[in-house]
Amino acid sequence: DAKTTQPPSMDCAEGRAANLPCNHSTISGNEYVYWYRQIHSQGPQYIIHGLKNNETNEMASLIITEDRKSSTLILPHATLRDTAVYYCIVRVSQTGANNLFFGTGTRLTVIP
Amino acid sequence: ETGVTQSPTHLIKTRGQQVTLRCSSQSGHNTVSWYQQALGQGPQFIFQYYREEENGRGNFPPRFSGLQFPNYSSELNVNALELDDSALYLCASSLSSSYNEQFFGPGTRLTVL
Repeated sequence: DAKTTQPPSMDCAEGRAANLPCNHSTISGNEYVYWYRQIHSQGPQYIIHGLKNNETNEMASLIITEDRKSSTLILPHATLRDTAVYYCIVRVSQTGANNLFFGTGTRLTVIP
Repeated sequence: ETGVTQSPTHLIKTRGQQVTLRCSSQSGHNTVSWYQQALGQGPQFIFQYYREEENGRGNFPPRFSGLQFPNYSSELNVNALELDDSALYLCASSLSSSYNEQFFGPGTRLTVL
């Protein structure tokens, strides 16, 4: 599985967009980009995933560069409840064990 | 729809003891994965079960073992506990073994003294 690189921490003002970057320069053509987040003392929560095209759901948007070597998770209007550790994971979808390889993630702090 | 549940919430054991942690999968999910999360680290994959069979294993010794039952609930067993086994143990279920959207439980906090 491709390795990902994320900044260890970021701050964002409440109500502003939070843009969380992720580098995955060794990603393979069949590997998806997944984002999970973990709010303090809870289990990780799935946010969004994508392969090539940009994706949007009720929680966030995922922007993947054309060469797929990096991506950005966008929380359009950050709230205090979005304070969490955000994990970027690249993984091929295949039969067999689809375990997720978590790094240390980005700790996002939303400031009032 | 009931989410993933885990029991107990917290547990304290002493070195050398054995522990069993339990997980109930989300309704309709036939795959369960277990992760260990040490303080300040991301979760680390232990193993995955699909339809009662082990379907993959991370870099954990054999004293970490598991079971999945016909109702797809699961157990994680750890023998000969060591101090470094102190961690948050997370269970995650998914619709199938090839499905990467995993739904995590709240975890069991294990402390080994």
